[in-house]
Amino acid sequence: GQQLNQSPQSMFIQEGEDVSMNCTSSSIFNTWLWYKQDPGEGPVLLIALYKAGELTSNGRLTAQFGITRKDSFLNISASIPSDVGIYFCGRTGANNLFFGTGTRLTVIP
Amino acid sequence: NAGVTQTPKFQVLKTGQSMTLQCAQDMNHEYMSWYRQDPGMGLRLIHYSVGAGITDQGEVPNGYNVSRSTTEDFPLRLLSAAPSQTSVYFCASSYHNSNYGYTFGSGTRLTVV
Repeated sequence: GQQLNQSPQSMFIQEGEDVSMNCTSSSIFNTWLWYKQDPGEGPVLLIALYKAGELTSNGRLTAQFGITRKDSFLNISASIPSDVGIYFCGRTGANNLFFGTGTRLTVIP
Repeated sequence: NAGVTQTPKFQVLKTGQSMTLQCAQDMNHEYMSWYRQDPGMGLRLIHYSVGAGITDQGEVPNGYNVSRSTTEDFPLRLLSAAPSQTSVYFCASSYHNSNYGYTFGSGTRLTVV
């Protein structure tokens, strides 16, 4: 299948802490996408990565496209309560978008 | 600009009933997809379309039908609902695949009893 392995599955952190999560695959991809899903809503695109080694930031979020093209990570600095949600990595191919299983983030005030 | 609109937001069906989940987008996007989300499983692709008149199967197509008669609409039909189809369903659209990402609707929560 199109399996993308995300870790960790869940995280509980204190407000103000930094967060790191990653996504790996056995296949090479040309695009990595990171989405966030708030409770009761659909996923929203956070960051898109298009080439190996690329490092892209969006406010407190930073994501990198791994050199091997088989992995990507997402970092969140100085977490705040509204960072709560599920973070999904995704990759595109064959006319579609496939997702990892997600990392559920809980921020404790 | 409404984006991707899904209706209904909630639905309860009895086993064996049929229904159609509606999805409409007003962004003139070519690509549209349906996903289901189950606990611990992420989002899995059901069916997708790369343009009006063209549809194809995703990872978990069994028990679902789709059609794409217009660019704007991409309904998902459950032919004979089963408890295993209890899930949250998301519709998404994209101008092009790959580099533009997808815009998602807010979901339909379906329970089959």
